[in-house]
Amino acid sequence: AQSVTQPDIHITVSEGASLELRCNYSYGATPYLFWYVQSPGQGLQLLLKYFSGDTLVQGIKGFEAEFKRSQSSFNLRKPSVHWSDAAEYFCAVGAPGTGTASKLTFGTGTRLQVTL
Amino acid sequence: GAGVSQSPSNKVTEKGKDVELRCDPISGHTALYWYRQSLGQGLEFLIYFQGNSAPDKSGLPSDRFSAERTGGSVSTLTIQRTQQEDSAVYLCASSPLAGGETQYFGPGTRLLVL
Repeated sequence: AQSVTQPDIHITVSEGASLELRCNYSYGATPYLFWYVQSPGQGLQLLLKYFSGDTLVQGIKGFEAEFKRSQSSFNLRKPSVHWSDAAEYFCAVGAPGTGTASKLTFGTGTRLQVTL
Repeated sequence: GAGVSQSPSNKVTEKGKDVELRCDPISGHTALYWYRQSLGQGLEFLIYFQGNSAPDKSGLPSDRFSAERTGGSVSTLTIQRTQQEDSAVYLCASSPLAGGETQYFGPGTRLLVL
């Protein structure tokens, strides 16, 4: 069974600083990987996804993530954080080509606080 | 186009009552998922529907939980004899295909069991 670890529960960065949120996964092959963002009281919005191909993935709102097979990681990055990026971020893994096993397994989330 | 919608947005109920939560997926999406988000448990998969196939119910926490999907579109999650530990945000998602395709989430239903 797949699993996801987000080791940082809470991160605080200054506006304009760079950001990296860590995500490590456990899966027997290359999974589908996702980053979602959740603002207070809102549902989950997809930031970006990796299925195959180029390991550096660009998403919305200036975010990117890099798939590193050797490290089983899919870290999320942004070069310059904006105050509006304050939210909770979830990494998720899905199992490709498994038919009924299409549920996502989520990490526990990282809460991002942005100071002005 | 319209996204995934859920109703009600909030639901307060008394312990022991039954509740029904509704999900309208994106038109044309064949797969529909229910997740639960609660303090201390994070996001948990509950159930998954794909077309006319038998649903994957492996995440339902007890037999008090059930779900159906009528006509391959709208889904209802029913919780019978609610308990305080059922308090959570229930999220619905849909996707155009099974097998890991992108899931689009609704805003959720916040359930509070008193």
